[in-house]
Amino acid sequence: EPEVTQTPSHQVTQMGQEVILRCVPISNHLYFYWYRQILGQKVEFLVSFYNNEISEKSEIFDDQFSVERPDGSNFTLKIRSTKLEDSAMYFCASSELGQAKYQETQYFGPGTRLLVL
Amino acid sequence: DAKTTQPPSMDCAEGRAANLPCNHSTISGNEYVYWYRQIHSQGPQYIIHGLKNNETNEMASLIITEDRKSSTLILPHATLRDTAVYYCIVGPSGSARQLTFGSGTQLTVLP
Repeated sequence: EPEVTQTPSHQVTQMGQEVILRCVPISNHLYFYWYRQILGQKVEFLVSFYNNEISEKSEIFDDQFSVERPDGSNFTLKIRSTKLEDSAMYFCASSELGQAKYQETQYFGPGTRLLVL
Repeated sequence: DAKTTQPPSMDCAEGRAANLPCNHSTISGNEYVYWYRQIHSQGPQYIIHGLKNNETNEMASLIITEDRKSSTLILPHATLRDTAVYYCIVGPSGSARQLTFGSGTQLTVLP
């Protein structure tokens, strides 16, 4: 069964450093998402991406964040200068875009646990 | 904010049916009801979704009331591995496709 994969599973970085989180969405999916979950809190939407551009973004997704689809398979989230409060689980998701609403179902990856020291 | 209300926690005996309720009284006509679950800090796992009719798949059944203001997720024979946080999510709405997660229901399956 196809699945969303994410690398690395864990990332430890120093405050102020740049990190890139990588995701490989399901191959025939066209809509991509990043969510995050701070320890003990809700899963929060960050950004959605379609047709090589950002479709929607939340207030969390400020200028420190960027997303890119550098090739036909990867989808990345970059945090330019990490802060302590960026420590969280980051989940990538993808959905098959189609006219039928059932194709909107989002499938999530296992997540990257980011720890900023 | 999440448009759904769920009990914060529930217990269920192993082998019995787990019935998880969800209220979504402000659901609009074109919004679906999705159920996901999250085991520990793993990625949310899709379970099932529906619009008006009851739905069943290999994991669960979804019962949606006729007025669509509430629904129940049924795990017919709960196992210990079904212990997780279960999220009832309404959407997507219009052009916005993101899922808005609430606090969910912590289901604990007891041996």
